[in-house]
Amino acid sequence: KNQVEQSPQSLIILEGKNCTLQCNYTVSPFSNLRWYKQDTGRGPVSLTIMTFSENTKSNGRYTATLDADTKQSSLHITASQLSDSASYICVVSARASKIIFGSGTRLSIRP
Amino acid sequence: DSGVTQTPKHLITATGQRVTLRCSPRSGDLSVYWYQQSLDQGLQFLIQYYNGEERAKGNILERFSAQQFPDLHSELNLSSLELGDSALYFCASSAIEGRGYNEQFFGPGTRLTVL
Repeated sequence: KNQVEQSPQSLIILEGKNCTLQCNYTVSPFSNLRWYKQDTGRGPVSLTIMTFSENTKSNGRYTATLDADTKQSSLHITASQLSDSASYICVVSARASKIIFGSGTRLSIRP
Repeated sequence: DSGVTQTPKHLITATGQRVTLRCSPRSGDLSVYWYQQSLDQGLQFLIQYYNGEERAKGNILERFSAQQFPDLHSELNLSSLELGDSALYFCASSAIEGRGYNEQFFGPGTRLTVL
């Protein structure tokens, strides 16, 4: 069964600290993996997209990693800011147009 | 701003009623997707259209239907509304067919409240 599991479910950190969010998937055959940021009440916005051959991709203070062998991805946020408070969603696409959303990690940055 | 527009922004209605949500994709995008997000829940894929034709169906109830018009805007029709239909409804668009290969750009959503 194609599944995407994210951990932790929620996370609270202090402003300026780093954090890492995890995504494990069982989607097969794998096509690509995306991380989205969703502010409360707003539509998701794409942060990164990685295909099978890519191990790391950065977007400013966001760095995503992908281990296709273990079917794991992580999103590392450096020097967190208050505006990073949001839900982060891992989305895995399989070939034949299947797309599976994780349930997200709710991140709160405290001053 | 993703370039995807959705109207209305908010909608409050009563159980048993019918509503229509509207989505205009980014200029040039042929694919439109509809998602439902209930309170504190993940996104649930409902349905996809490509250039006017239905391409994929997800967890869409029989009381719900959608269509994509020749000008590529799409409408999601929700009928016989129940309290549990209260949710954020997002529309997304992408350039070409195939949910797996193209980045989807999400609209701001329509918040539906059923009383």
